[in-house]
Amino acid sequence: AQKVTQAQTEISVVEKEDVTLDCVYETRDTTYYLFWYKQPPSGELVFLIRRNSFDEQNEISGRYSWNFQKSTSSFNFTITASQVVDSAVYFCALSVPSGSARQLTFGSGTQLTVLP
Amino acid sequence: AAGVIQSPRHLIKEKRETATLKCYPIPRHDTVYWYQQGPGQDPQFLISFYEKMQSDKGSIPDRFSAQQFSDYHSELNMSSLELGDSALYFCASSPQGQYEQYFGPGTRLTVT
Repeated sequence: AQKVTQAQTEISVVEKEDVTLDCVYETRDTTYYLFWYKQPPSGELVFLIRRNSFDEQNEISGRYSWNFQKSTSSFNFTITASQVVDSAVYFCALSVPSGSARQLTFGSGTQLTVLP
Repeated sequence: AAGVIQSPRHLIKEKRETATLKCYPIPRHDTVYWYQQGPGQDPQFLISFYEKMQSDKGSIPDRFSAQQFSDYHSELNMSSLELGDSALYFCASSPQGQYEQYFGPGTRLTVT
């Protein structure tokens, strides 16, 4: 069975601070995919990034960066110079492909509040 | 760019009624997923379809059924609605051979 743990339920920072959202996953499979999604107050789920289990390279996209470490089963997400518009619930998710099945298992989410 | 379309966006039903939610995936996406997100919860996988065939089943109640049609749109049918069915229902689609899922705006179902 797969499991995703986001231990931080809520984080509050002041604008321009850096913030890291933690994600720890569990799976016995060697092939898997990790994702981050953003859910702003409007409710939609916005895809941010996908990482496969064979690619441990960190990635940077603008103010966003992701650190994938298989040794600690972690896939952490850092927002640099946070902005009020970054306020949202952020979900980490895991997918273990099985045939044509590719369902996502989500963590419980981290509510990020960026204060002006 | 085209996105996943869901209708209706909001739905209010009474207990024991029936509801039908519709999903139109992004063109040329071959897989459709349905998720249920209760208040303050993470999305829970219900069911998925690959090329119009059911590909996986999650924690979907027997009162719920779904199908994907020849034009690739999908419908989630919910019968004998209960108060606990009140949630945000998401549809998502994936491009062929890819694993990222693109979500629609969701249908907020309220059962009274």
